[in-house]
Amino acid sequence: EPEVTQTPSHQVTQMGQEVILRCVPISNHLYFYWYRQILGQKVEFLVSFYNNEISEKSEIFDDQFSVERPDGSNFTLKIRSTKLEDSAMYFCASSDTRGLYEQYFGPGTRLTVT
Amino acid sequence: KQEVTQIPAALSVPEGENLVLNCSFTDSAIYNLQWFRQDPGKGLTSLLLIQSSQREQTSGRLNASLDKSSGRSTLYIAASQPGDSATYLCAVRFHPGTYKYIFGTGTRLKVLA
Repeated sequence: EPEVTQTPSHQVTQMGQEVILRCVPISNHLYFYWYRQILGQKVEFLVSFYNNEISEKSEIFDDQFSVERPDGSNFTLKIRSTKLEDSAMYFCASSDTRGLYEQYFGPGTRLTVT
Repeated sequence: KQEVTQIPAALSVPEGENLVLNCSFTDSAIYNLQWFRQDPGKGLTSLLLIQSSQREQTSGRLNASLDKSSGRSTLYIAASQPGDSATYLCAVRFHPGTYKYIFGTGTRLKVLA
C-alpha cells in the first residue's frame, strides 16, 4: 500500500541553524501539507501546498519557514533559523484531488533544537 | 473560533469491552471529519473519514457517527483488544474552501488484557 515517507526520523540541531525536513508524498497525490505536534499538545496545521504554491498557511508559518517541491517526488520544509520552541514532531501529509481529499500522514520527523 | 474537543482525555478499559470516544466541534457547518490513531512516538494512521452528508462510517470493529446539528462525532470500538491501545485523534475540516484539519487533543486509550 502506498505511504508517505519522511526523513530523517530524528534531527538534532543547534539554535539558529537551518534545517530541512524531507517528505515523499504518495505518488499520485497533488495536495501536500505540513503539520507539527509539540510534545503533549495538539497536532497543528502549518501549511498546504498545491500546484507549486502555498494554498493556505497558519499564523505559525512565518518568514522562518518555507516549503518547496524541488522535484517530482520530494516535498520539503525548511526552517531558516531554528528556535528552541521549534522542537516538535513534524508530520507531512498528502491527499489526492478526488473525493474528500482524505489526508495520509507520514511517520514524522522529531526535531530537537538545543 | 473553530475548535475541536475530545473527551475523555484518557480511558482505561478491560479487554473485550465496547467503548465510545467522543469528539465535539464548535461549527456545525463542517465539510468532513477524520478519525486517526496515533501510537506513542509514531505518525497518524487514518481510521475513518466521514463526510458531512453521512451519518456514519464503518470499518471492521470501528464505527464513526456524525451528528452535525449537535456538533458531535463518536468513534465506537467493538470488542476492544490490547492492540487497540493508542491515542485516538479527531480532526475536522470545517469548510470546502480550506484543506487544513483542526485536531482535537485526543483520547489516550489503554485496553487491559
